[in-house]
Amino acid sequence: TQLLEQSPQFLSIQEGENLTVYCNSSSVFSSLQWYRQEPGEGPVLLVTVVTGGEVKKLKRLTFQFGDARKDSSLHITAAQPGDTGLYLCAGGRGSSNTGKLIFGQGTTLQVKP
Amino acid sequence: DAGITQSPRHKVTETGTPVTLRCHQTENHRYMYWYRQDPGHGLRLIHYSYGVKDTDKGEVSDGYSVSRSKTEDFLLTLESATSSQTSVYFCAISAAGGHTEAFFGQGTRLTVV
Repeated sequence: TQLLEQSPQFLSIQEGENLTVYCNSSSVFSSLQWYRQEPGEGPVLLVTVVTGGEVKKLKRLTFQFGDARKDSSLHITAAQPGDTGLYLCAGGRGSSNTGKLIFGQGTTLQVKP
Repeated sequence: DAGITQSPRHKVTETGTPVTLRCHQTENHRYMYWYRQDPGHGLRLIHYSYGVKDTDKGEVSDGYSVSRSKTEDFLLTLESATSSQTSVYFCAISAAGGHTEAFFGQGTRLTVV
């Protein structure tokens, strides 16, 4: 059972379209992170959200943390082929002493020119 | 780039043999993680460490053991490799656990035949 459920798992769109990826859980997380992974590489952090209701923007990417800190979304405006990749959300669990980090199953995004 | 090195990068082994993967860091980060990545499952946590000799199980720990005798090294051992353990294994490090950025190694592709 995946603690963090991402949807959709696959997304294929045309350049210029907008999209939203969701990350949901029945559990509360102390923080949510979004990573992007390219083939043959490890994931790289895009953003961390820590406060319920928080919204962060990174150029054409907008990240939101739900008020109850159980869900998050990633919105991409005017997608470009360079946005193609695997997007992963990750949640911090437990006390700061144990630092468990759990990932969702990922969303594979393909942006066609 | 964060100083994190996984070895070996590729390995083919036979069913029933023990296998050890090594993760080495030069960042002096407290937390270290082992994940496996399989299609449709994102990154699943195998074991993690929150200090020297302090380790805990993740979501998919059966058949795996870990050791951390010094800050810089975190070893993952497959006690008796099975075909279901064919996967890409990623090591990650972070300074302050699940609330801060995790840096990933390049991954180890393990094939059990």
